[in-house]
Amino acid sequence: DAGITQSPRHKVTETGTPVTLRCHQTENHRYMYWYRQDPGHGLRLIHYSYGVKDTDKGEVSDGYSVSRSKTEDFLLTLESATSSQTSVYFCAISAGQGTDTQYFGPGTRLTVL
Amino acid sequence: GQNIDQPTEMTATEGAIVQINCTYQTSGFNGLFWYQQHAGEAPTFLSYNVLDGLEEKGRFSSFLSRSKGYSYLLLKELQMKDSASYLCAVRGGSYGNKLVFGAGTILRVKS
Repeated sequence: DAGITQSPRHKVTETGTPVTLRCHQTENHRYMYWYRQDPGHGLRLIHYSYGVKDTDKGEVSDGYSVSRSKTEDFLLTLESATSSQTSVYFCAISAGQGTDTQYFGPGTRLTVL
Repeated sequence: GQNIDQPTEMTATEGAIVQINCTYQTSGFNGLFWYQQHAGEAPTFLSYNVLDGLEEKGRFSSFLSRSKGYSYLLLKELQMKDSASYLCAVRGGSYGNKLVFGAGTILRVKS
């Protein structure tokens, strides 16, 4: 199994508060991704990173920001959480070569009240 | 843009064979992936197709036809533990080298 951890695994917060989710990898993979998963929508890409300090937007980036100051860590921040951001958040990594398969972390269940 | 369609739910019997279809429309194509996701868990990689044809891995096989924008995942000798959601994902098109996922097919295996 790819060495990917996410923290926290569960979080309940209130509308308007900032929230930061962390993804940590031990594989030294170049690419890291943040997805959200909601019933009926499947996995949707929020932001991704193709190297330290190199990030770009995905399909559903509004209301989210990311940072990657080290190869192993990719942070997702909700500047001011809203109820529509209640979801399960998955981090994924890929090597950026070969089949470039993405491997997923265990997920974070976020509830915004 | 990209559009990926899969059936929402399927039911099959233990020991049987089931085929889960995936159709896609994309402006570019650089591979199709299948993932398995058990309830409450992370998706896990099952298979990858980039050329037309069948890829076999034990009880699981995946087929691709690029001209038809079509793939299927074939599960043989179904077991109860195969009850899960199966996600089809396509790389290429409007999101460059990134994956776009279908909504997933929930497979229920009954005894």
